[in-house]
Amino acid sequence: ILNVEQSPQSLHVQEGDSTNFTCSFPSSNFYALHWYRWETAKSPEALFVMTLNGDEKKKGRISATLNTKEGYSYLYIKGSQPEDSATYLCAFREHSGNTGKLIFGQGTTLQVKP
Amino acid sequence: ETGVTQTPRHLVMGMTNKKSLKCEQHLGHNAMYWYKQSAKKPLELMFVYSLEERVENNSVPSRFSPECPNSSHLFLHLHTLQPEDSALYLCASSQDRLAGRNEQFFGPGTRLTVL
Repeated sequence: ILNVEQSPQSLHVQEGDSTNFTCSFPSSNFYALHWYRWETAKSPEALFVMTLNGDEKKKGRISATLNTKEGYSYLYIKGSQPEDSATYLCAFREHSGNTGKLIFGQGTTLQVKP
Repeated sequence: ETGVTQTPRHLVMGMTNKKSLKCEQHLGHNAMYWYKQSAKKPLELMFVYSLEERVENNSVPSRFSPECPNSSHLFLHLHTLQPEDSALYLCASSQDRLAGRNEQFFGPGTRLTVL
């Protein structure tokens, strides 16, 4: 059974703080790692899709790194703002199989206080 | 707006009812997905359709019956559900199910309550 773990489960920070959270996934048979941002009452929205070991991606104040050999990815938010409050999901896609199946973690819920 | 719409947004049904969830994507994608999110659990894949053909059934009970009449529309027909089927049901689409780089675009979900 493939397992994707995210930590911490929830996080409360003050506006302006920088923060990071972790996604752990199986290190064998890796194909891709997705990050999604899910605001309350909205649709999950893709942030990054990462495929190569050592990949670093950035979108504004949010960036992500990938280590496929040890099976983890970090998501960083620099200078958190209240509008960053959301649940951040990572999802693992393994190499075998032909259905595009993603295995999701439980998410990290971030609350940014003004 | 992600380009994926779902109706209804909320649904309450009894265990003997039959209802359907509808998903429509306006992105020209070839693959569509149904996911379920139960309380305090990760998003769980239910079905994958590629070019209107079902390619994945993730051990879903037969009381959930998907239908994909064309590449833009996906339905989930529900009958004789159980209270434990109460959850958020999300639809998603992607350009191509095989390419790992293709992100999935999600609808806002249908919140289902089974009484």
